[in-house]
Amino acid sequence: QSALTQPPSASGSPGQSVTISCTGSSNDVGGYNYVSWYQQYPGKAPKLIIHEVDKRPSGVPDRFSGSKSGNTASLTVSGLQAEDEADYYCSSHGGSSNFALFGGGTKVTVL
Amino acid sequence: QVQLVQSGAEMKKPGASVKVSCKASGYTFSDYYIHWLRQAPGQGPEWLGYINPKSGGTSYAQRFQGRVIVTRDTSIRTVYMDLSRLRSDDTAVYYCARRGPTFDYWGQGTLVAVSS
Repeated sequence: QSALTQPPSASGSPGQSVTISCTGSSNDVGGYNYVSWYQQYPGKAPKLIIHEVDKRPSGVPDRFSGSKSGNTASLTVSGLQAEDEADYYCSSHGGSSNFALFGGGTKVTVL
Repeated sequence: QVQLVQSGAEMKKPGASVKVSCKASGYTFSDYYIHWLRQAPGQGPEWLGYINPKSGGTSYAQRFQGRVIVTRDTSIRTVYMDLSRLRSDDTAVYYCARRGPTFDYWGQGTLVAVSS
């Protein structure tokens, strides 16, 4: 069982938006602005797409956006494209004893 | 460009140890902590620990304390993760990752399979 809770799946048609939630506690997601999101294709390493709640690394399309409210963080993918079909994982700092916590992942399907 | 290149897949028997390497290039090695994570099939990543390449200082997840050791060789810009007393549920892909504000660059992953 993962430390952070994500829905196992989400889907949308090309051009639509999909939002993935990531629920933790006040000891992790709610307590720090160190929430990250990673995109992972089968057999590949995770790729950073959002850090510090809502910051995009260079090269990541602005279709990807992040936010946080209380103990829940969210990733929104706008204008869905076929290449967005992948697994998405959230991560949060969890204090000195749980440096990095992850969610169980959400599989995004583009219909 | 930043690259982290890991050693190849390993097959081990229960009770054995495994050592995975991670060679860094494309940036100042001492400026970024290197972390180790693992991902079991169908699950999210799990954090194991990290090393400060400059000082050699380490920190490990509580559940791996006493079983994992992370070391580095600054002369060849390489970090090592040693996991002992392997069990079948240690079967996973093991990743090294550079920590900037977060895990911004990852190695390609090393499959460690534990089976009798």
